[in-house]
Formats: sequence, C-alpha cells, structure tokens
Amino acid sequence: QVHLVESGGGLVKPGGSLRLSCAASGFTFSDYYMMWIRQAPGKGLEWVSYISSSGTTIYYADSVKGRFTISRDNAKNSVYLQMNSLRAEDTAIYYCGRGRCDSCGGDRWGQGTLVTVSS
Amino acid sequence: DVVMTQSPLSLPVTLGQPASISCRSSQSLVGSDGNSYLNWFQQRPGQSPRRLIYKVSNRDSGVPDRFSGSGSGTDFTLTISRVEAEDVGVYYCMQGTHWPPWTFGQGTKVEIK
Repeated sequence: QVHLVESGGGLVKPGGSLRLSCAASGFTFSDYYMMWIRQAPGKGLEWVSYISSSGTTIYYADSVKGRFTISRDNAKNSVYLQMNSLRAEDTAIYYCGRGRCDSCGGDRWGQGTLVTVSS
Repeated sequence: DVVMTQSPLSLPVTLGQPASISCRSSQSLVGSDGNSYLNWFQQRPGQSPRRLIYKVSNRDSGVPDRFSGSGSGTDFTLTISRVEAEDVGVYYCMQGTHWPPWTFGQGTKVEIK
C-alpha cells in the first residue's frame, strides 16, 4: 500500500529555515517523480516544486525560487524540501505527491505538514 | 503561465441529483502529443487532495463511475451523475500540458442543500 508521510513542519520566525521530509513506502520510489504543493489557510492548491525520478531535473514556482531547495535520496525513499528565508506568505500545509506521468499531476498525496511563519 | 478558471466557486447540490463544474484554461491544453492534460482533484474536508481524473476523462483506480470528465481545447467539465454525501468537498482542476508551472483552478466547493 502506498504511503507518503510528511514531517518537519512547525512554527518558525520570518527569515528562518525549515526542512520538510517526505518518507515513501509501498512502491518503487526511484520510478516516480515527486512534487510538493501547498495550501495556505482557507485557500486553494499551489504547486511548489518538482524533482524527477533520478533527481536530475528540478523545477520551482517563482514564489519560492532562490529560497527553497528540493532533493531526494532514492536509497532512503525520501524527498526533502529545504526552506530558507521564510516569509509569512509561506504559511501553509505542505503536501508531497508522486507520479509517473509528468503532465498528469500526482496520483497519490501525503497527509501534509503545517508550516507557520510568524513572529 | 496558464491561468485556470473554475465556475461556479460554490455549488449547492441535492443528494441524488447531477452536478457539473466548469474549468477553462487561458490557452489550449492540447499538447505536442495530441493529448490534453487536464486533471481533476477532490479534497474532502480535513483531507489531502486526491486525484480523480487525468487526461480529461480517465478515472483513477477506485474512483466511482458517477464521476466523469469531458472537454477539449480550453473548456472542460467534471460531472457527478448522482451526488452522494461523501462527495462533499472542494474540487480543483489542474493543467499539466504547459509545465512548469503546473497550475490549479481556484477550487469549487460542493455542498449538500
């Protein structure tokens, strides 16, 4: 059974850093690309970042480019999101998802981890 | 970036009756391979997103057949043939033809009258 479990969220001050993790199980992790999306309180879904199955291709939303870094460790079946220079507008639930068809959106998503940026 | 526009944003429905959600894109979603990559997600209250449909009309495994997707070019529709109580939630369209970025519609909240 496919499981994606995010962790690492919490309360951080503006300008601070957090590292989110997503642990995958129940499938061959190295066959899938991974994505992060987020949802601000009471708002809709926003794509944040993408990493290909091998880790060689990476994309970021303009809103996080230069501040966030996505990475993966296929030996540990995990994907990470290093978030630096955090702003109040980064406050959201962050979900990791997987997929095989780049254009089809992720076919499975985790339960999410809440990041709150506030002084 | 492709802008996705959904309507209505709120949809009160009667149990057992049909419901339709429209999604329009700011440019054609026909890709170089001839496919249109318009995907639909459901988010029930307090839950994470779940993909229902990919490439306009392909249902994901386990999705009831009362859900169907249609459309082409820039106009797409998600239809629920007979709404059930478990269908309450927010529905999002998402385009995957012109990426990055992958872009979502604003969401349509489905509630029972």
